[in-house]
Amino acid sequence: DTAVSQTPKYLVTQMGNDKSIKCEQNLGHDTMYWYKQDSKKFLKIMFSYNNKELIINETVPNRFSPKSPDKAHLNLHINSLELGDSAVYFCASSRNSGANVLTFGAGSRLTVL
Amino acid sequence: QQPVQSPQAVILREGEDAVINCSSSKALYSVHWYRQKHGEAPVFLMILLKGGEQKGHDKISASFNEKKQQSSLYLTASQLSYSGTYFCGTEAGKLIFGQGTELSVKP
Repeated sequence: DTAVSQTPKYLVTQMGNDKSIKCEQNLGHDTMYWYKQDSKKFLKIMFSYNNKELIINETVPNRFSPKSPDKAHLNLHINSLELGDSAVYFCASSRNSGANVLTFGAGSRLTVL
Repeated sequence: QQPVQSPQAVILREGEDAVINCSSSKALYSVHWYRQKHGEAPVFLMILLKGGEQKGHDKISASFNEKKQQSSLYLTASQLSYSGTYFCGTEAGKLIFGQGTELSVKP
């Protein structure tokens, strides 16, 4: 029973398209995150939601829009995809927004051609 | 502010020891350590919450010097399974990761 699950695992798409990644956690955690890992393995935080409320919004282009319908789900929609969006996107969750352990999903590898 | 890790990469033979350092230009209140194996998600190793704290996890341990704003991860008698990229993370309302240290353990 996967704790943090993301779909899809792989996405290959053309520049200019729109795509979504979905994430669900069954840990009962209050806080969820999106991290982007580039080709140099740099893990950068993008967004964080605490109980459906956006609490962290890094300097991410407006083409990226997260949505949290409930505290167990966090989705990421990306409009007008660009080559530089190619990366692995990790969803993560933690008990709350304090100094807590992150549990990561398996990642979604996005390739923009 | 992203913490800085050193070294960037290290190659070991099984049984050898390694130290990975993590330093920050800002005051640290906690330091997290994660390991990511190739093609997998990062996995939590340990969190250090107090200055001077040391924690252990099997043959992997860590120290945290709050005054020096540094943490070190110690891997002793390394095993093949230790291979991966190690990240430290520091918190200031959000977990910011260092650039990673790639560890390869050879037979």
